[in-house]
Amino acid sequence: DQQVKQNSPSLSVQEGRISILNCDYTNSMFDYFLWYKKYPAEGPTFLISISSIKDKNEDGRFTVFLNKSAKHLSLHIVPSQPGDSAVYFCAASAPKTNAGKSTFGDGTTLTVKP
Amino acid sequence: DTAVSQTPKYLVTQMGNDKSIKCEQNLGHDTMYWYKQDSKKFLKIMFSYNNKELIINETVPNRFSPKSPDKAHLNLHINSLELGDSAVYFCASSLRGSNTEAFFGQGTRLTVV
Repeated sequence: DQQVKQNSPSLSVQEGRISILNCDYTNSMFDYFLWYKKYPAEGPTFLISISSIKDKNEDGRFTVFLNKSAKHLSLHIVPSQPGDSAVYFCAASAPKTNAGKSTFGDGTTLTVKP
Repeated sequence: DTAVSQTPKYLVTQMGNDKSIKCEQNLGHDTMYWYKQDSKKFLKIMFSYNNKELIINETVPNRFSPKSPDKAHLNLHINSLELGDSAVYFCASSLRGSNTEAFFGQGTRLTVV
């Protein structure tokens, strides 16, 4: 039972346009959501997070939106840059669990074309 | 200064061998983890270790054993390696608590031949 799903294995966008990566979850106990970015041959690095008490969190070019009723979150990158090309993992955690025990989605590979 | 470092980065070994992967973090975190990323790119937690408390994922074979000599280190020992153990293994650490992020090492690509 995959509790966090990223249904698009890959996404290709043109430099300067918006990238939208989607993530769905099934466990209503999840209350904290994170996006990680991973380059080849490197470990995932934290990008942005959102608590379930919010519906939006913004950090520079990156914005995460949370729709609790739909159990859906999305990551918007605008404008997209070639350096954003990476695998993006969505992760979710429930209360009283440590950060690293988050449940991860299986990733979306983003390619930003110059 | 690497926050979470793991060695080796690549490991090729024969079936049946015993091997170890080392992990060290200099972030002062008291919680560390091991993840496995299989061929389908899915990141699955294997263990979490919070000070002296080890939490084992039930799906992990007992050939895998984490060992933590101190709060900054969490090594992974694998006995009697099998072909299916081939994967990328990531070490990670975090502060205790849920509303925070984990910091990952660069991964160890294990290939069992």
